[in-house]
Amino acid sequence: ELKVEQNPLFLSMQEGKNYTIYCNYSTTSDRLYWYRQDPGKSLESLFVLLSNGAVKQEGRLMASLDTKARLSTLHITAAVHDLSATYFCAVEKGGSEKLVFGKGMKLTVNP
Amino acid sequence: GAGVSQSPRYKVAKRGQDVALRCDPISGHVSLFWYQQALGQGPEFLTYFQNEAQLDKSGLPSDRFFAERPEGSVSTLKIQRTQQEDSAVYLCATRGGHSYEQYFGPGTRLTVT
Repeated sequence: ELKVEQNPLFLSMQEGKNYTIYCNYSTTSDRLYWYRQDPGKSLESLFVLLSNGAVKQEGRLMASLDTKARLSTLHITAAVHDLSATYFCAVEKGGSEKLVFGKGMKLTVNP
Repeated sequence: GAGVSQSPRYKVAKRGQDVALRCDPISGHVSLFWYQQALGQGPEFLTYFQNEAQLDKSGLPSDRFFAERPEGSVSTLKIQRTQQEDSAVYLCATRGGHSYEQYFGPGTRLTVT
């Protein structure tokens, strides 16, 4: 059974600081996704990582994928309050298109 | 173009009532997914369609849950004899073309009292 674990699950950080969050998964997978969810809202796609060594950056967020370690990281650079949200990673189960999600990481960026 | 839309956005049902939740996909998107998101949790897969064919329904929690997509476009998730544990946000997502991304709708928040 494919399992996806995120850590930490809660993070409070100050504006201007850097931090890395982690997403581990248990079995071989084709693709890894990062989503953002604001309270009461739906999921917004951030990144799709397709292959080992993939790195994508958008603004203050950078995501990477190591398929051998079954690990993805989401690095936050110089955090700002607007990044406060819950971040989910999801893994596409091999042979199907369905996504298996982690529990999410609730990020609070304090001024 | 328009994104994925879902209706109703909020639904309150008394225990035992039947409900029907609708998903309008992005035009032309072949794949359509339903997920259930409990409060404070990540979404969990329910079922998946490719055009009108339901290819995977392994996530449906019981036979009270039924989904259809008869013409390969709009989909309906039906829950019969609702129970309190069915209270959740039901998310629809679609994928199409050459993109791997799943685009999520705003969700329907179901509260069973």
